Amino acid sequence: DAGITQSPRHKVTETGTPVTLRCHQTENHRYMYWYRQDPGHGLRLIHYSYGVKDTDKGEVSDGYSVSRSKTEDFLLTLESATSSQTSVYFCAISERGETAIYFGEGSWLTVV
Amino acid sequence: GNSVTQMEGPVTLSEEAFLTINCTYTATGYPSLFWYVQYPGEGLQLLLKATKADDKGSNKGFEATYRKETTSFHLEKGSVQVSDSAVYFCALSERTGNQFYFGTGTSLTVIP
Repeated sequence: DAGITQSPRHKVTETGTPVTLRCHQTENHRYMYWYRQDPGHGLRLIHYSYGVKDTDKGEVSDGYSVSRSKTEDFLLTLESATSSQTSVYFCAISERGETAIYFGEGSWLTVV
Repeated sequence: GNSVTQMEGPVTLSEEAFLTINCTYTATGYPSLFWYVQYPGEGLQLLLKATKADDKGSNKGFEATYRKETTSFHLEKGSVQVSDSAVYFCALSERTGNQFYFGTGTSLTVIP
């Protein structure tokens, strides 16, 4: 299994509160990603990073921000959580020249 | 652009039945192709991959052949087991940039 740890694994939060999800990898891979998975939508890319301090938006980036200050950590922040952000969030990693992407176990977020 | 289309589910089969899950793709270049499997409550796991035309990926009795002429990468297994019940995702990646594109997933249930 790829060395990817997501935290927290489960969280319930109130509308309007900030939330940060953390992804930690031990593989020293260059690329890191945040996806959300929702019924009927499959996986949708939120943000990704191609190096320390280098990030870019995915297809559903509104309401989310990310930071990557170290190779091993990629943080996803919901500045002001909304009910539409209730979802399962997956972190993933890949490396240049390595053709596959590897996923963490997911973070279940419920916004009430 | 790049995209992946896979057959709608859910698919229900009896144990030992033959499985086919169709996947077709659109790509601007020469992508790598993947199948991922997701068990309940877990992240996506790489099942198999193929990196060039006519390659056959295989793992745990599952196979898929990269068909450039039909832009397809159909997943097959000769005899499914109850433990194969999961959601299966077809995916592609470009050779550069480490961008990945996923199908919407096909849910498979195998009944004894």
